Amino acid sequence: EIVMTQSPNTLSVSPGERVTLSCRASQSVSSNLAWYRQKPGQTPRLLVYGASTRATGMPARFSGSGSGTEFTLTITSLQSEDFALYYCQQYDNWPHTFGQGTELEIK
Amino acid sequence: QVQLVESGGGVVQPGRSLRLSCTTSGFTFSTYGMHWVRQAPGKGLKWVAVIWYDGSNKYYADSVRGRFTISRDNSKNTLYLQMNYLGVEDTAMYYCARAVGPFDFWGQGTMVTVSS
Repeated sequence: EIVMTQSPNTLSVSPGERVTLSCRASQSVSSNLAWYRQKPGQTPRLLVYGASTRATGMPARFSGSGSGTEFTLTITSLQSEDFALYYCQQYDNWPHTFGQGTELEIK
Repeated sequence: QVQLVESGGGVVQPGRSLRLSCTTSGFTFSTYGMHWVRQAPGKGLKWVAVIWYDGSNKYYADSVRGRFTISRDNSKNTLYLQMNYLGVEDTAMYYCARAVGPFDFWGQGTMVTVSS
């Protein structure tokens, strides 16, 4: 099983700031990496797939990068709705494992 | 628009069974693989199972293999998860999700609580 490790577990930031979240795979997943945002009490929503392609309707302040084992999600100019949980997921191998999540909280 | 609606959750005693359903609309169900994902209270997302678009292949997480069975009825646009021998560790919100590689649409989830 591929283990996905996200860092940090929690990030305290102010609205309007730029933030970078990291995700590492225990073995290469090529570019088969997705990011999801889960607002409190809501369903996860696809943000980025293919490591760097924004999902339909997601604003340009979200950008993903990386390949192989190292990936990042950058959010520029944080909005109130961005304070949430973020998960990375590899869909290169079964099982399609998720990272443990990074929580963005308001500083 | 694409919609996925889970149902069938509830409170059940350890060792008992439950069947979840995911009723879909707004897309051609028979052309998509479908997944179940669960999230224990206050915890992260855990993938549970997948079924190919035509039901020809199924994969399970180690934690549920042999106890859970994923199935689908393409004539009813519905996905199922039969859960047997439930344990307290199966307590979670269960989501169905459409698969195009990544999970592009998710249902709102149905809560399963295993408790005596």
